[in-house]
Amino acid sequence: EVQVVESGGGLVEPGRSLRLSCTASGFSFGDYAVAWVRQAPGKGLEWVGFIKSKLYGETTEYAASVKGRFTISRDNSNGIAYLQMNSLKTEDTALYYCTNSPRGSAAGQFDYWGQGTLVTVSS
Amino acid sequence: DIVMTQSPLSLPVTPGEPASISCRSSRSLLHSNGNNYMDWYLHKPGQSPQLLIYLASNRASGVPDRFSGSGSGTDFTLNISRVEAGDVGVYYCMQSLGPPQTFGQGTRVEIK
Repeated sequence: EVQVVESGGGLVEPGRSLRLSCTASGFSFGDYAVAWVRQAPGKGLEWVGFIKSKLYGETTEYAASVKGRFTISRDNSNGIAYLQMNSLKTEDTALYYCTNSPRGSAAGQFDYWGQGTLVTVSS
Repeated sequence: DIVMTQSPLSLPVTPGEPASISCRSSRSLLHSNGNNYMDWYLHKPGQSPQLLIYLASNRASGVPDRFSGSGSGTDFTLNISRVEAGDVGVYYCMQSLGPPQTFGQGTRVEIK
């Protein structure tokens, strides 16, 4: 059975850091690209960034709104991806989803999604 | 960045009737390999988004054949042949041609 579980969300003050984890099982995690997508309250889906599979060099890409502040990494041996979020802003408040694509190049087709973890940035 | 524009943004539907959502991209999503890098997702209330269609016209595993995707280049359509009550939610198109990947604004489908 495929499982994708995000964790690590919570309440954090502006300017602080938080690390989200995405633990996957039931599929060949290392062959899949991993993306993070967020949804701010009352808003639509926003792509945050992705990390390609090992075959594609595990390269990363980020949305302009988070570039330089967020970093995605992965631990294929344990089936975990991370989203390190630094210098958090109030506008980063959102439900963060982890999703996976069998296309290791991350060119869409995100078919496995977690339930999301809520990040609230507030003083 | 590629801008994705969906229409309509709100779609009241009658069960058993067809429904259609359009998505236009600011740049062609047709790759030299012949694929159109367009996905459709459904975000039901209280659930995670789910993949419906990838590469413009390929149904994801487990998706009923009532759902179909079409289009090429910059104009794409998601069709539901016969809407069911369980199809309510927000539908998003997403381009994956190149980073950043971008979503449309979403189309909220509700039962009349």
